[in-house]
Amino acid sequence: IQMTQSPSTLSASVGDRVTITCRASQSISRSLAWYQQKPGKPPHVLISEASTLQIGVPSRFSGSGSGTEFTLTISGLQPEDFATYYCQQYNVYSGAFGRGTKVET
Amino acid sequence: EVQLVESGGGLIQPGESLTLSCATFGFSFSHFALGWVRQAPGKGLEWVSGITGSGGSTFYPRSAKGRFTISKDTSKNTVSLHVANVTPDDTAVYYCVRHPGANYADYFGDWGQGTLVTVSS
Repeated sequence: IQMTQSPSTLSASVGDRVTITCRASQSISRSLAWYQQKPGKPPHVLISEASTLQIGVPSRFSGSGSGTEFTLTISGLQPEDFATYYCQQYNVYSGAFGRGTKVET
Repeated sequence: EVQLVESGGGLIQPGESLTLSCATFGFSFSHFALGWVRQAPGKGLEWVSGITGSGGSTFYPRSAKGRFTISKDTSKNTVSLHVANVTPDDTAVYYCVRHPGANYADYFGDWGQGTLVTVSS
């Protein structure tokens, strides 16, 4: 299964609403996670099962979708949200990651 | 508190083999699937191996089959990754990861800090 993530880079400002898209090459039901990674740090999971927010993740993050099309939305971008975001499917094994979206100013 | 602590990285020559270890703390080792994810410098994430909680089953992406071997030592609560015949393309930070349960087909809930492997002559 291939994961196509877009855009690869996104320019935004504090307060913006940001949307990142991930498409699977075949249906993965809702077996999709989103991760955030900052430079020099390991990724950490934000959302699993396409839309379930992990404990401690701010509510400005939300996920939606099923089947082959998924989105991560950040409603009201904060300074600490400038980072790279990855999607990952886990319908088949531990699965493929998208190539990442760098959110920058 | 869940902790995953990788070791074994460093400079290695092409054609050699390496073994990375991940010491785990803070959870029941046999109840969780574990794995390895790597990230080449400036690149994205690549899952390279997984092992079930029981250790009875291992999984690899097509790109890793044949050269990568994951194993668990339940007496030491460690998981290891052996990579044979390394090439410069294996240069990456290798992260030890833990799934939220015993199922290997799941997201990665916990990550270690990573260990850098550099393959160069």
